[in-house]
Amino acid sequence: EVQLVESGGGLIQPGQSLRLSCTGAGFNFRNSFMAWVRQAPGQGLEWVGLIRNRGYSATTEYAASVQGRFTISRDDSKSIVFLQMDSLKTEDTAVYYCTRVQYTYVLFDQWYFDSWGQGTLVTVSS
Amino acid sequence: DIQMTQSPSSLSASVGDGVTITCRASQGISNCLAWFRQRPGKAPEPLIYAASSLQSGVPPKFSGSGSGTDFALTISSLQPEDFATYYCQQYYSYPWTFGQGTKVEIK
Repeated sequence: EVQLVESGGGLIQPGQSLRLSCTGAGFNFRNSFMAWVRQAPGQGLEWVGLIRNRGYSATTEYAASVQGRFTISRDDSKSIVFLQMDSLKTEDTAVYYCTRVQYTYVLFDQWYFDSWGQGTLVTVSS
Repeated sequence: DIQMTQSPSSLSASVGDGVTITCRASQGISNCLAWFRQRPGKAPEPLIYAASSLQSGVPPKFSGSGSGTDFALTISSLQPEDFATYYCQQYYSYPWTFGQGTKVEIK
């Protein structure tokens, strides 16, 4: 069974940094693409970014709202994906979910979320 | 960025009813569309990928259709656990984007 467990959330002041971790189990982590999705209180879902596997040089993609402030990295030896969040703003307050990205081909390349963690709450407030 | 627009934003239905939620993309996305169910206080649960393929373990009362810009999620025979918020999401191009959500409430 695929398991994703996020940690590292908490209360942080604007302008400060925080690092979230997501530990995966029950699947081949090093072959997997991983992503982060967030949800502000009472709001919808927002994709944050993605990291590819080493076969794709662990390259990353980010939403414009976090580009240049957030960095996704991975430690395949420990099955952990990180979300480093710098220069935090009050609008970054959200539950942050870690997700696994699965690949298949159905008429077109399909890169889709198939497993989610339980989420960790980040509150940015003075 | 590709905008995803869901209709309706909310709907009321009874246990046993069937409902359909639609999702429109601002440009063509082939069949690169997923659907999720989110119950209050819980993480989203994947339902559909590739517009119409069921995720593993998802009952066939959920079905997806569409291609290009117009998509639909149909839920037959609503059960208590189905009263939740549903989201569509495109992964055709970056940034991946979600619809604003459709809340299905008990009538």
